[in-house]
Amino acid sequence: QSVLTQPPSVSGAPGQRVTISCTGSSSNIGARYDVHWYQHLPGTAPKLLIYDTTNRPSGVPDRFSASKSGTSAFLAITGLQAEDEADYYCQSYDSGGFYVFGTGTKVTVL
Amino acid sequence: EVQLVESGGGLVQPGGSLRLSCAASGFTFSNYWMIWVRQAPGKGLEWVANIKKDGSETYYMDSVKGRFTISRDNAKNLLYVEINGLRVDDTAVYYCGRINYYYYMDVWGKGTTVTVSS
Repeated sequence: QSVLTQPPSVSGAPGQRVTISCTGSSSNIGARYDVHWYQHLPGTAPKLLIYDTTNRPSGVPDRFSASKSGTSAFLAITGLQAEDEADYYCQSYDSGGFYVFGTGTKVTVL
Repeated sequence: EVQLVESGGGLVQPGGSLRLSCAASGFTFSNYWMIWVRQAPGKGLEWVANIKKDGSETYYMDSVKGRFTISRDNAKNLLYVEINGLRVDDTAVYYCGRINYYYYMDVWGKGTTVTVSS
């Protein structure tokens, strides 16, 4: 089964804005399936950050926002904070009948 | 508190078997599809299998079909995955997750580690 492609790493200074891309195909993101984002620290449970492409669960700061265009999706973190240092994964559904995850992006706060 | 707690991981020789469990609490387990996701060392998250609310439908990634069996006991609020014919490339942290509206996971456990090595 296919995966969604993310940059391996992005970095920024505290207070800056960083963006993570997530590129899929016509059978997942391009097929109008929503994209969801997770924050993951090693050894802990992944945390739902964004669901249904643009929505934040209760408790997620509005510094996190997301969008989608064509076969790609984007997660933006504005006002970067030290606590945002983690791995981030996008996820969607594929018309082949399976869940597909991104390759993961490590966010480093300089 | 909504919670998922995995158990059952360990060190197993190639060709061996394991049963992983996921104990759910704080929500009506039988109302949700559930999922197993794994993360191999240095790799990203990977969908393994998912199961319908009543256990009547199951789905697997291609590389585990015939070797993994996902099941659930709604009376005990437990999710399982039985793994047979373990391979070195099955080495991973295995997470269980609660699926919301079929398409995303809104609750995750902390994972249990499976190491396949001789």
